[in-house]
Amino acid sequence: ETGVTQTPRHLVMGMTNKKSLKCEQHLGHNAMYWYKQSAKKPLELMFVYNFKEQTENNSVPSRFSPECPNSSHLFLHLHTLQPEDSALYLCASSQGAGGLKFFGPGTRLTVL
Amino acid sequence: GENVEQHPSTLSVQEGDSAVIKCTYSDSASNYFPWYKQELGKRPQLIIDIRSNVGEKKDQRIAVTLNKTAKHFSLHITETQPEDSAVYFCAAFGGGTGNQFYFGTGTSLTVIP
Repeated sequence: ETGVTQTPRHLVMGMTNKKSLKCEQHLGHNAMYWYKQSAKKPLELMFVYNFKEQTENNSVPSRFSPECPNSSHLFLHLHTLQPEDSALYLCASSQGAGGLKFFGPGTRLTVL
Repeated sequence: GENVEQHPSTLSVQEGDSAVIKCTYSDSASNYFPWYKQELGKRPQLIIDIRSNVGEKKDQRIAVTLNKTAKHFSLHITETQPEDSAVYFCAAFGGGTGNQFYFGTGTSLTVIP
């Protein structure tokens, strides 16, 4: 699969587990994003990385911890999540913060 | 900050009819407005966009119009087909912190064959 890829596609975890979501973009973009998509709500921006530097953190709880080792990879480390964190987590990338944004397929997360 | 509102939340049309989805934004500094289509179980995909220096843009059966004075923009789909059924999201960029996209709540469009 080209473009923006995400793994895993589905994840079920308990509240005490630690897991990580991975995103990889093959487009040569320099900005990457994590979004949370819950039912009946707008897409919620969580984090923005521009040239590997975090430029936005939209008051996201510390149980979500992003990591961007290089411009092509983005991780979201999860620990001690709550059931209300169950959602679709979408990664996206763009060439610059205002560039066309391409989304990954998302990870469907269920917290039991 | 920026606030984007989208209406309606659900829309059903007969195949062949037109569909219109409207979004309003609050920050006049916003200057880029993309529309995304998300089919069930799939990722959002950009279908059309418009910048603030343009009033209208068309791509085959879809078009977007922008009214900067009233701060609203609309997606128009003509001759709808069942494969147009999806959730459509509008977004605004450039307002607020100037470094992020602000998305609407989405419109679930159903095209009835």
